[in-house]
Amino acid sequence: AQSVTQPDIHITVSEGASLELRCNYSYGATPYLFWYVQSPGQGLQLLLKYFSGDTLVQGIKGFEAEFKRSQSSFNLRKPSVHWSDAAEYFCAVGAEEYSGGGADGLTFGKGTHLIIQP
Amino acid sequence: DSGVTQTPKHLITATGQRVTLRCSPRSGDLSVYWYQQSLDQGLQFLIHYYNGEERAKGNILERFSAQQFPDLHSELNLSSLELGDSALYFCASSVLAGGLYNEQFFGPGTRLTVL
Repeated sequence: AQSVTQPDIHITVSEGASLELRCNYSYGATPYLFWYVQSPGQGLQLLLKYFSGDTLVQGIKGFEAEFKRSQSSFNLRKPSVHWSDAAEYFCAVGAEEYSGGGADGLTFGKGTHLIIQP
Repeated sequence: DSGVTQTPKHLITATGQRVTLRCSPRSGDLSVYWYQQSLDQGLQFLIHYYNGEERAKGNILERFSAQQFPDLHSELNLSSLELGDSALYFCASSVLAGGLYNEQFFGPGTRLTVL
């Protein structure tokens, strides 16, 4: 079974500073990887996704992530954060369609809570 | 706005009761997934329906059940509710049944409070 680890429960960054949120996954085959953001009281919004091909993927709101198979990582980065980026960030991995006999849902990490200091 | 709608937005009920949560997928999407988000368990996959048929089960309790109707909307039924069932329940939809390029779009969630 697949699993996702987000080692940082909370991260505090100054506005305008760079950001990197860590994500490590465990999965036997090629993973499908996602980053979602959840603002307070809101649903989950997809920031970016990796299915195959170029290991550096660009997303919305200026975010990017790099897939590193050798390190089983898919870290999220942003060069300069804005106060509006304060939210909960979730990394997720998707299973192949017929793994285990069915089309399983996404497996999520526990999330990283991002705090922006003025 | 993802295009996925969920009703109601909030639900408060008592232990032992039964509730139904409703989800309408994005136009054209055939898959509906249900997830539970709680403080102690995080975000967990419950169940997946594709074009009216159950495709996969995750950590769904036997007291919970779901179905997808011919118009593709889905309902999640929670019965014999316990305090621990208090959580945010998300529905997500996608075009595909799964696999490569399957991108899920999430609704705003239903917050269930069991008193």
